[in-house]
Amino acid sequence: EAGVAQSPRYKIIEKRQSVAFWCNPISGHATLYWYQQILGQGPKLLIQFQNNGVVDDSQLPKDRFSAERLKGVDSTLKIQPAKLEDSAVYLCASSLVRGMETQYFGPGTRLLVL
Amino acid sequence: DAKTTQPPSMDCAEGRAANLPCNHSTISGNEYVYWYRQIHSQGPQYIIHGLKNNETNEMASLIITEDRKSSTLILPHATLRDTAVYYCIVRVYGGATNKLIFGTGTLLAVQP
Repeated sequence: EAGVAQSPRYKIIEKRQSVAFWCNPISGHATLYWYQQILGQGPKLLIQFQNNGVVDDSQLPKDRFSAERLKGVDSTLKIQPAKLEDSAVYLCASSLVRGMETQYFGPGTRLLVL
Repeated sequence: DAKTTQPPSMDCAEGRAANLPCNHSTISGNEYVYWYRQIHSQGPQYIIHGLKNNETNEMASLIITEDRKSSTLILPHATLRDTAVYYCIVRVYGGATNKLIFGTGTLLAVQP
């Protein structure tokens, strides 16, 4: 089966610019996650969707980050305006439903803010 | 914060067993031990999980001590492709957010 798809794979922007990342989860997976992974650290959950509703966005910096999952399938994560400290890999993952199901991760988008 | 402690790095010779330790001394009765790994420039990949019994699948074995305060992930015959960061995670069954809390993991370097 096809895995989690993400685009773009790499993005370089200047601070104060905006950027958007796209994620297409595995077909049929109801739960979608966005993680931020700063160099040398493990991934940190930013936001979790169940279908098109937000389950957990407690770690999302809402003054600059936003995310949506229209129609409960694809999702976009946006940063506006970007800061230097937003330089990281942004990972999307999906799972069938909530609970103990395995999360499947995409390859990530590597963002560099100059 | 992550509830596990792992060594930052380990080496292993190709073809030998790799034994990766993890301490989770504050684990609760309803928390599972999960292992993921992350190969360079890829997203994390699920390996195995367990509650209190030892588990084995096609990738690895998981040995959990009787008091559940520590565990060991065993890769029986390590290859160069097993070089990765390995994350040990404790996770509540049926948690509302299904959240994975990653630490900094163990960088396993398999040497030829």
